[in-house]
Amino acid sequence: EIVMTQSPATLSVSPGERATLSCRASQSATSNLAWYQQKPGQAPRLLIYGASTRATGIPARFSGSGSGTEFTLTISSLQSEDFAVYYCQQYNNWWTFGQGTKVEIK
Amino acid sequence: EVQLVESGGGLVQPGGSLRLSCAASGFTVSSNYMNWVRQAPGKGLEWVSVIYSGGNTFYADSVKGRFTISRDKSTNTLFLQMNSLRAEDTAVYYCARQVGGSYTDYWGQGTLVTVSS
Repeated sequence: EIVMTQSPATLSVSPGERATLSCRASQSATSNLAWYQQKPGQAPRLLIYGASTRATGIPARFSGSGSGTEFTLTISSLQSEDFAVYYCQQYNNWWTFGQGTKVEIK
Repeated sequence: EVQLVESGGGLVQPGGSLRLSCAASGFTVSSNYMNWVRQAPGKGLEWVSVIYSGGNTFYADSVKGRFTISRDKSTNTLFLQMNSLRAEDTAVYYCARQVGGSYTDYWGQGTLVTVSS
């Protein structure tokens, strides 16, 4: 099983600032990595797949990078609607999710 | 428009059973890979089970032998039969459409299963 580890657990950011979230895989996930956003009481929403491809309708301020075992999600200028929990998921070998990073208002 | 609507959750005693349903619209369940993913209260996401378009089924070790995934073509519905339920099965259960053998692009709103005496 590929174990996904996200850091930090909580990220405090002011609106308009840049947020950088990390996700590390215990073994290579190649580029088979997705990022999801989840708000309280809602289902996850797909943001990024293939490590760097934005899903339909996702704003350009969201970007993904990385391959192998190290991945990053960057939100270039945080908007109020971006405060949420973010999960990475590898789909190179079945599915496993990271434990999530909560992005909160500073 | 793709929609997934789960139902069937509720309170059940340890050792009991529940059957979850996921009614799909906007696409054909049997032509897609369909998954169940759960989220315990305040916790992260955990994959539970998948049924491939060809009918093959797979399960997480934590539910193998207790849960059964299935689908019905006539109603375009996905199911999860859960038997021998344990307290640690308490979670919101989501159905999710998988894109080929990769990520998921659509999720339902979830249904809460609570296992408690």
